[in-house]
Amino acid sequence: DVKVTQSSRYLVKRTGEKVFLECVQDMDHENMFWYRQDPGLGLRLIYFSYDVKMKEKGDIPEGYSVSREKKERFSLILESASTNQTSMYLCASRQLGVTNQPQHFGDGTRLSIL
Amino acid sequence: AQTVTQSQPEMSVQEAETVTLSCTYDTSESNYYLFWYKQPPSRQMILVIRQEAYKQQNATENRFSVNFQKAAKSFSLKISDSQLGDTAMYFCAFRAGGTSYGKLTFGQGTILTVHP
Repeated sequence: DVKVTQSSRYLVKRTGEKVFLECVQDMDHENMFWYRQDPGLGLRLIYFSYDVKMKEKGDIPEGYSVSREKKERFSLILESASTNQTSMYLCASRQLGVTNQPQHFGDGTRLSIL
Repeated sequence: AQTVTQSQPEMSVQEAETVTLSCTYDTSESNYYLFWYKQPPSRQMILVIRQEAYKQQNATENRFSVNFQKAAKSFSLKISDSQLGDTAMYFCAFRAGGTSYGKLTFGQGTILTVHP
């Protein structure tokens, strides 16, 4: 079974802090994704990666950056946290090149910015 | 750009009954995939069922089946013999084929509650 592990289930940070959310997958997947989940909006893609050091902006990248130094790890960075970034953050991974493969999700990190 | 719409924010059903969750999408792609994901309360999101657009036959996984109407761009999920463990948020998702790198576009979600 694919395991996608997010470093924290709950996180509380202050406005202006630099925040790191970590995600690790154990299935050698090339594709990794960061989403945020908000009530009534579903999941929205922030950034994704298809290889080490390769990253692409999703639909809502403003205020975020990412890092993929190793294949198994994909980090989401909030450069200067703001209250409107309070949300649930979900990481996912997927095997590239197999067309009908689904994404596998982590448990999520509920982030509160005070 | 693709859009996915789930018009039912909340649904409820009695245990052992059947319920259908609606999903419509908009795309100009001809090759794509559709998914239903389930997110139980405080638990991990998991895949329920998937449908390839080129397949005319509706996908089925045990008690879960879809009604895929390609011309109408509709992709509803039917849950038969509902169980208490089916209580969850359900998301409909779209993925274009080709070099989309597997990006998913999600609907707003439907909260399903199964009552004993």
